[in-house]
Amino acid sequence: ETGVTQSPTHLIKTRGQQVTLRCSSQSGHNTVSWYQQALGQGPQFIFQYYREEENGRGNFPPRFSGLQFPNYSSELNVNALELDDSALYLCASSYPPGTAAYTFGSGTRLTVV
Amino acid sequence: QKEVEQNSGPLSVPEGAIASLNCTYSDRGSQSFFWYRQYSGKSPELIMFIYSNGDKEDGRFTAQLNKASQYVSLLIRDSQPSDSATYLCAVNLDSSYKLIFGSGTRLLVRP
Repeated sequence: ETGVTQSPTHLIKTRGQQVTLRCSSQSGHNTVSWYQQALGQGPQFIFQYYREEENGRGNFPPRFSGLQFPNYSSELNVNALELDDSALYLCASSYPPGTAAYTFGSGTRLTVV
Repeated sequence: QKEVEQNSGPLSVPEGAIASLNCTYSDRGSQSFFWYRQYSGKSPELIMFIYSNGDKEDGRFTAQLNKASQYVSLLIRDSQPSDSATYLCAVNLDSSYKLIFGSGTRLLVRP
């Protein structure tokens, strides 16, 4: 049990559709980051939220968006899905606050067909 | 040039040997360094992090950092078949706490 839970575990979507992935962190973990991991690659930073505000973004287009809620849950939304969006999506929280020692959730495997 | 580079492997070592995993990074402003282990089909698991030059030991694991050479390594002593996994090196560049990952080195420990 890592303290970071993600849902769903697997998802199949059609190109052009929209998807929402969910993450829940432990109480007090007010920094959450999302990463995309393509097969055979290391995770790539999508964005980070701190106290419900986006405070850092990687090289991903605006169709990748997110939200963080007061209850330490967060969402990753991807619009207009493309085949290359097929990947493992990882949510991570850090504790103590202000560190980069992230704990990852178990991930959501997204397949776009 | 990739920001964080790792040999993809596989690195094959016999059980009980020392496994040495290496990582180089390009940004001299890098502040902290992390090693994650990832089993096939699972998410990355933090093993160790290091901020200062030198060695840091935790059980069978030792992280080594040389900022002048922009090099960080992970040594696994008394390697076990259960250590067989992909090891990801990650670097934190700035106060945003974004991690830049390498592509990982696959380690195979032979019984």
